[in-house]
This record gives sequence, structure tokens and C-alpha cells, in this order.
Amino acid sequence: GESVGLHLPTLSVQEGDNSIINCAYSNSASDYFIWYKQESGKGPQFIIDIRSNMDKRQGQRVTVLLNKTVKHLSLQIAATQPGDSAVYFCAEKGSEYGGATNKLIFGTGTLLAVQP
Amino acid sequence: DAGVTQSPTHLIKTRGQQVTLRCSPKSGHDTVSWYQQALGQGPQFIFQYYEEEERQRGNFPDRFSGHQFPNYSSELNVNALLLGDSALYLCASSFLTGVGKLFFGSGTQLSVL
Repeated sequence: GESVGLHLPTLSVQEGDNSIINCAYSNSASDYFIWYKQESGKGPQFIIDIRSNMDKRQGQRVTVLLNKTVKHLSLQIAATQPGDSAVYFCAEKGSEYGGATNKLIFGTGTLLAVQP
Repeated sequence: DAGVTQSPTHLIKTRGQQVTLRCSPKSGHDTVSWYQQALGQGPQFIFQYYEEEERQRGNFPDRFSGHQFPNYSSELNVNALLLGDSALYLCASSFLTGVGKLFFGSGTQLSVL
């Protein structure tokens, strides 16, 4: 079946360093991927997305890389700040209904802990 | 501009009871999805509502049902509660065409004793 998994459950970094969070996906037909940030007591917050026709997309302090050959996603956070501490999820859009779906398949998540 | 709002924030029920959770989508959004998030896990898709109809369903039993109202708000109902139904229930809204850019509420924490 479809699944999205993460390599590292916990990542601890120093404030100011760059963070890299990795994610593997299993459905080679997936064409849309999203990263979410979830802080304690809150719902997931959209960070950045990428379509399968792209290899890289940049936002404010964040970059997502997509390697379709090995079915791998990564989220890079530049100059990590204490406010970046949260659980990060990658998610894959379900392939049903030609894309007209809100079904996202989430991984387990990576806890990012930023040390001051 | 209010985001996605959910009520109640916390709920405690006992096995066998029934529960109703409520969601108001972000202003202008017409599609509502519900997700279940167990502790330490990623959210899992329950179902999606658009134009007051269930459009897609995840791998959840019929004990889980929902409704969407003309104002786009939605309810999630769970019957015959099991201990394993304890989880954070998240509502997400979007435009049907805005696939993936889901805006989530803060969720309802359901505890089944």
C-alpha cells in the first residue's frame, strides 16, 4: 500500500545551524508533496510544497528537494531558530480521483529540537 | 480572517458512547476533510466533504460518519466508541481545487475511557 516514512524520528540542532529533515515515499506515481510543521497543541501548518515536475523549491528559509529516482524528499531549514522546534511531517497526495482529493498520506514525523 | 475552528477542544467519553465533533472551515473554503491523529503518529485521512456529500473515504469503519452543512461547516460522528478511538481529530479545509494546501484546525482531543 501507499506509505510515507521518515528516516530520523528526532533531530537536535544548535540555534543558527542548518537543519535537514528527510522523508521517503513509496508510491512512484505520487505527483505532489507537502511539508507540514506541527507545534504542540496545534494542527499541522503548511510550510512548502513541491510537484513532481520539480527537483527543488525554495521558500523563506526553507528549501524542499525531491529526488524521484530514489523516492526521497528533504526539507532544509536555514539558520534554525528556537521557534522552529516542532514535529515536521512530509505528506504525499493520494493518487485517486485524478488529483481532486484532500487525501494526504502523512509520515510518522520528525521532532526537531533546537538548542539555544 | 478566522482560520479553521473546531469544537470542543477536549472531550472525554466512555466505551460504547457516541460523539459529535464540529468544524467551521476557513472563510471562503468549500471543502472539509477530517483526519485522525494518534499519539506520536501522522494524521490519517478519514473522509472529505464537498457540496454536502462525502466524496472520498479513508480506511475507517462505518462507525465514523459525517455531515456538511450549506454553510460548509461540518460534523464528525463516531458511534460505539472504542478505546482505540482515542486520538486528536483534525479538521482541514480548502478549495476543492486547492489540493494539498490544507488549512488545519487545532483539533479535538478525544479520550475514550
